[in-house]
Amino acid sequence: SQQGEEDPQALSIQEGENATMNCSYKTSINNLQWYRQNSGRGLVHLILIRSNEREKHSGRLRVTLDTSKKSSSLLITASRAADTASYFCAPRDYNKLIFGAGTRLAVHP
Amino acid sequence: DAGVIQSPRHEVTEMGQEVTLRCKPISGHDYLFWYRQTMMRGLELLIYFNNNVPIDDSGMPEDRFSAKMPNASFSTLKIQPSEPRDSAVYFCASSTLRWASGGLTDTQYFGPGTRLTVL
Repeated sequence: SQQGEEDPQALSIQEGENATMNCSYKTSINNLQWYRQNSGRGLVHLILIRSNEREKHSGRLRVTLDTSKKSSSLLITASRAADTASYFCAPRDYNKLIFGAGTRLAVHP
Repeated sequence: DAGVIQSPRHEVTEMGQEVTLRCKPISGHDYLFWYRQTMMRGLELLIYFNNNVPIDDSGMPEDRFSAKMPNASFSTLKIQPSEPRDSAVYFCASSTLRWASGGLTDTQYFGPGTRLTVL
């Protein structure tokens, strides 16, 4: 069964707005990773947050992790049309990453 | 580094035929993963290897699927016989555990995928 489940399934915003995607998972994790997939391409790693961390930043990305609620969020600030892609959270279960169905983000110019 | 290399990029075959997908991981990576992506089921982990040894193949759908990693620089995923429901994009990814930013990290690097269509 999928461990990472993203919400919403799809998100449509205007350039310059912030985009927030949420992820829930079911079991204890070592870390949680976020990946991005452009249409027709492989996934690309964005950011990793460890189970003992609560928040992490990388450029315009901000990730939070709440292990008590088994949830994470990815915030993209000042979005650009080039951010249009699918975003996946992937809790790390032992040596495996369990990917959810992803959030499809569309950023309109 | 060239990244993870997969071949072929596209494969169209007829039901019942054997299909072999190939993957060359990033040099120095000791983990290799095979995934399948469909609209209906999302991204599924099929099998992963560590140091060329299969560790978990619980995601392999059935006996028609087999995967090998004869050496650290090459892996194959074989489907025999293929069926229309096997149509999907198959990704290979590789990783290694390394120390970064104050802890162990294991970013997976994905190949471009093989789009398989079984008619």
